[in-house]
Amino acid sequence: SQQGEEDPQALSIQEGENATMNCSYKTSINNLQWYRQNSGRGLVHLILIRSNEREKHSGRLRVTLDTSKKSSSLLITASRAADTASYFCATDHDMRFGAGTRLTVKP
Amino acid sequence: DTAVSQTPKYLVTQMGNDKSIKCEQNLGHDTMYWYKQDSKKFLKIMFSYNNKELIINETVPNRFSPKSPDKAHLNLHINSLELGDSAVYFCASSPGFVGSVLNTEAFFGQGTRLTVV
Repeated sequence: SQQGEEDPQALSIQEGENATMNCSYKTSINNLQWYRQNSGRGLVHLILIRSNEREKHSGRLRVTLDTSKKSSSLLITASRAADTASYFCATDHDMRFGAGTRLTVKP
Repeated sequence: DTAVSQTPKYLVTQMGNDKSIKCEQNLGHDTMYWYKQDSKKFLKIMFSYNNKELIINETVPNRFSPKSPDKAHLNLHINSLELGDSAVYFCASSPGFVGSVLNTEAFFGQGTRLTVV
């Protein structure tokens, strides 16, 4: 079974709104990573959060990690049409991904 | 310079054929992976090698055989191709391997779209 499971499966918002997607995992980890995939392309690493961190920022991205609940969230603030993509999470435990969250940002 | 490169980008072949997909990374990473992404976009890990040693071998048909001649290359050979093998196959590499203290931030290739007809 996969380690990183993302939800929701799909998310559609208007430009300028915030987008939040979640990731759950099953085992203890050293870190959790979020990736982005544009249609027809490979995954691109966005941000890594370590197990001793609770929150991390990178530009318009904010990632939280709750190791007690084995969950993480990715928040994209002030979304743009160019943020339209699928977003995946994986942990260092086994680098397994799920089906991702497909984000559509309407102009 | 492409960090992780896969060839070919597209592959159309008939059922029963044998085909190979090649992957090379120029990042100096120790670990390489093969993933399969199906039509529903689920990304499934197939294999992982660390310094030419197999460390992850998921439940995949033994028609799939990875080969790592050196730590910069991980090729995927598929025998007796079936319709269900149609998917996009991604190669990736990372500095370290799962379960180690090294970083597992992965760099992905652009994918090989395999179509079996």
